[in-house]
Amino acid sequence: SQTIHQWPATLVQPVGSPLSLECTVEGTSNPNLYWYRQAAGRGLQLLFYSVGIGQISSEVPQNLSASRPQDRQFILSSKKLLLSDSGFYLCAWSVARAGEQYFGPGTRLTVT
Amino acid sequence: QKEVEQDPGPLSVPEGAIVSLNCTYSNSAFQYFMWYRQYSRKGPELLMYTYSSGNKEDGRFTAQVDKSSKYISLFIRDSQPSDSATYLCAMRGGADGLTFGKGTHLIIQP
Repeated sequence: SQTIHQWPATLVQPVGSPLSLECTVEGTSNPNLYWYRQAAGRGLQLLFYSVGIGQISSEVPQNLSASRPQDRQFILSSKKLLLSDSGFYLCAWSVARAGEQYFGPGTRLTVT
Repeated sequence: QKEVEQDPGPLSVPEGAIVSLNCTYSNSAFQYFMWYRQYSRKGPELLMYTYSSGNKEDGRFTAQVDKSSKYISLFIRDSQPSDSATYLCAMRGGADGLTFGKGTHLIIQP
């Protein structure tokens, strides 16, 4: 069966510090991968998606970036965090571009 | 007008009642419709996945899609306290990401 992991589970970072969140998927090959952010009082917002190694599409221009160095690894990064980057970051995967998406446990980020 | 509208609740019902959750949308390109359940501080869990209009049943859950009205519903029969959570509707057209409603907070009273 497929499993999706995210770490860390929680993170408290000062404004201006760098960020690296990691997501890995087990039990499937060549998944489509997604990063979403869920801010307080708001719905889930798609940030990035990837259909293959090195292929990243950005949905929202901001100070975040994503990379996919391996088939089942997806990384979300920032060089300098802003207060507005606080939120619940969720990674998801799907088998096909039109298939259902499955979410990981999430990383709760607080920027202070 | 927002792409997906969902009443945030909270919706409080007694145990055993039938629950009806709804979303409306404006983008006629949406073809795939999903319902997720999210417990506090957890990732969303996929409950139902439907394509185009029609009904789909899975255990106590029934999803309905009416594309002509741009309206989707999730029914929960014999509701249990463990069903208390936030329910998110999501949909997509040909694009890769999902468009979500803000979620309805459901409380099942024992």
